[in-house]
Amino acid sequence: ETGVTQTPRHLVMGMTNKKSLKCEQHLGHNAMYWYKQSAKKPLELMFVYSLEERVENNSVPSRFSPECPNSSHLFLHLHTLQPEDSALYLCASSQMSGRVSTDTQYFGPGTRLTVL
Amino acid sequence: AQSVTQLGSHVSVSEGALVLLRCNYSSSVPPYLFWYVQYPNQGLQLLLKYTTGATLVKGINGFEAEFKKSETSFHLTKPSAHMSDAAEYFCAVSDPTGRRALTFGSGTRLQVQP
Repeated sequence: ETGVTQTPRHLVMGMTNKKSLKCEQHLGHNAMYWYKQSAKKPLELMFVYSLEERVENNSVPSRFSPECPNSSHLFLHLHTLQPEDSALYLCASSQMSGRVSTDTQYFGPGTRLTVL
Repeated sequence: AQSVTQLGSHVSVSEGALVLLRCNYSSSVPPYLFWYVQYPNQGLQLLLKYTTGATLVKGINGFEAEFKKSETSFHLTKPSAHMSDAAEYFCAVSDPTGRRALTFGSGTRLQVQP
């Protein structure tokens, strides 16, 4: 039980589809993260939200659109994706004091996304 | 700036043998250091972390790591490998002053041979 859940666990979509990934944390944290994990590449930080405010956006293409309606929920809206966007998308949460978090991040199991 | 280098993308050991996974970091300030493990089709799970104090840190599943400032290293060890240790291991560094979040290494895949 990691305390961070992600749905769906697997998603296959065409390049013209619109879909959303959902993350929920039950740990009382105030920061949430989206990471992209591709084969043979380091873990890539995509977005950071602290107290529902986006504090970091690492040059992610606009076809990825995050949403954080409250401190427990985080979404990643996907539209007109490319095959190279196929990857494992990981959500994490932590307790943040100040602008960034230096403390342990707790990860969800990930959503395995395949773009056809 | 901070960075993490994990030497060896793949490490193979025999069951019962010593596990040594290497991690070197670069940081302009004394860092916080982490080791995470990822089993197939799962997210990352914290193994252990160093913040301040004792430089030898013990984690879950019999793993430990030692912070060596002079060598800028934080290698992960386990005296005796078990088949269930087969997974991918990630070293990460953060800046305690709060200017940067976690930076992950590229990972080391550990295979355990029977």
